[in-house]
Amino acid sequence: EIVLTQFPDTLSLSPGERATLSCRASHNVDNNYLAWYQQKPGQAPRLLISDASRRATGIPDRFSGSGSGTDFTLTISRLEPEDFVVYYCQQYYISPRTFGQGTKVEIK
Amino acid sequence: EVQLVESGGGLVQPGKSLRLSCAASGFTFSSYSMNWVRQVPGKGLEWLSFITSSSSRIDYADSVKGRFTISRDNAKNSLYLQMNSLRDEDTAVYYCARSCGAGCWLIDYWGQGTLVTVSS
Repeated sequence: EIVLTQFPDTLSLSPGERATLSCRASHNVDNNYLAWYQQKPGQAPRLLISDASRRATGIPDRFSGSGSGTDFTLTISRLEPEDFVVYYCQQYYISPRTFGQGTKVEIK
Repeated sequence: EVQLVESGGGLVQPGKSLRLSCAASGFTFSSYSMNWVRQVPGKGLEWLSFITSSSSRIDYADSVKGRFTISRDNAKNSLYLQMNSLRDEDTAVYYCARSCGAGCWLIDYWGQGTLVTVSS
């Protein structure tokens, strides 16, 4: 099983600042089969990024993904008020398709 | 528009069974693999099960293997999760989630979830 560890658990920033969220895998995620999801309170998750760096349809370009192997990053270039929610990474390279524990981005 | 609507959740006693359903619309259901994912309220996401478009391949997380069964009826555009021998720790919101194609494993759309509460 590939264990995904996200850090930090909580990120305290101000609107307009840059957010850098990390996801580290216990084993290589081949083909960069790593996705990022955003979850707002009371809602289902929404796909932001697939294949480590491919933005999903309709996702603003302030969201970007990078990384390969075991280290992946989600960057939000300038935080908007609606971005202060929880983000999860998931690997879909191998079963079980594990999620990270999540990073909460909160207003400082 | 892709729509996934879960139903069947509710309060159930430990050891009992429950069957969740997911009604799909807005896409050709028979061409897509599907998943179940759960989330304990206030906690993270846990992937549970995957089924290919033709049901030729099925995967489970160890936490539910042998107790939960995923299935689908392409004629009815429906996905199911039969949950047996339920435990307190199975209390969660259960999401139906679409994968991006027939053999694709990426989850691209989620339903709104149905809450299952296991308690005596």
